[in-house]
Amino acid sequence: GENVEQHPSTLSVQEGDSAVIKCTYSDSASNYFPWYKQELGKRPQLIIDIRSNVGEKKDQRIAVTLNKTAKHFSLHITETQPEDSAVYFCAASYNFNKFYFGSGTKLNVKP
Amino acid sequence: DTAVSQTPKYLVTQMGNDKSIKCEQNLGHDTMYWYKQDSKKFLKIMFSYNNKELIINETVPNRFSPKSPDKAHLNLHINSLELGDSAVYFCASSPALGTEAFFGQGTRLTVV
Repeated sequence: GENVEQHPSTLSVQEGDSAVIKCTYSDSASNYFPWYKQELGKRPQLIIDIRSNVGEKKDQRIAVTLNKTAKHFSLHITETQPEDSAVYFCAASYNFNKFYFGSGTKLNVKP
Repeated sequence: DTAVSQTPKYLVTQMGNDKSIKCEQNLGHDTMYWYKQDSKKFLKIMFSYNNKELIINETVPNRFSPKSPDKAHLNLHINSLELGDSAVYFCASSPALGTEAFFGQGTRLTVV
């Protein structure tokens, strides 16, 4: 089955700085890679996703890059704000069967 | 008009009991999931149903039994609860297998 590894487990940045979270996956057939944000005590919510036919996708301050050859994808948050503080999960899925989630990154944005 | 709703939100019960968690989605989605989030926040898929049909059954003890009476509902029944079952259980739905998943608010299960 798929194995998704996520790093770092915790990340602390100063407000305004950029944050990068990286994930690797093991199954080269995986073709859909969503990122979820989970605030304390709340449900995970999709913030951005990318499919395997695209190398990069951007939505305002967040972007995701995908390197299929190396089997890794990354989340980039620019100009971080305190409200970006949350746990972020990457996931990978193949042929839309199921999501395998990474172990999560706790992002702390210090004002 | 919550999209994916779970009940109850909190559940405290004794070891050995049997309990159920209900999930309903009003998004018209074909696929529903159950995930378990442990104390370390790790999200792990348990089951996936597509049009009431079981698609995925990860390595989950037989004490866990999902039931999908219709496309909009996926309930989770747990027999003989154990301390290690304590976690937050999330229901989710998506328009099709593997597309964006919408999560319910979670059910925090505590087994004492």
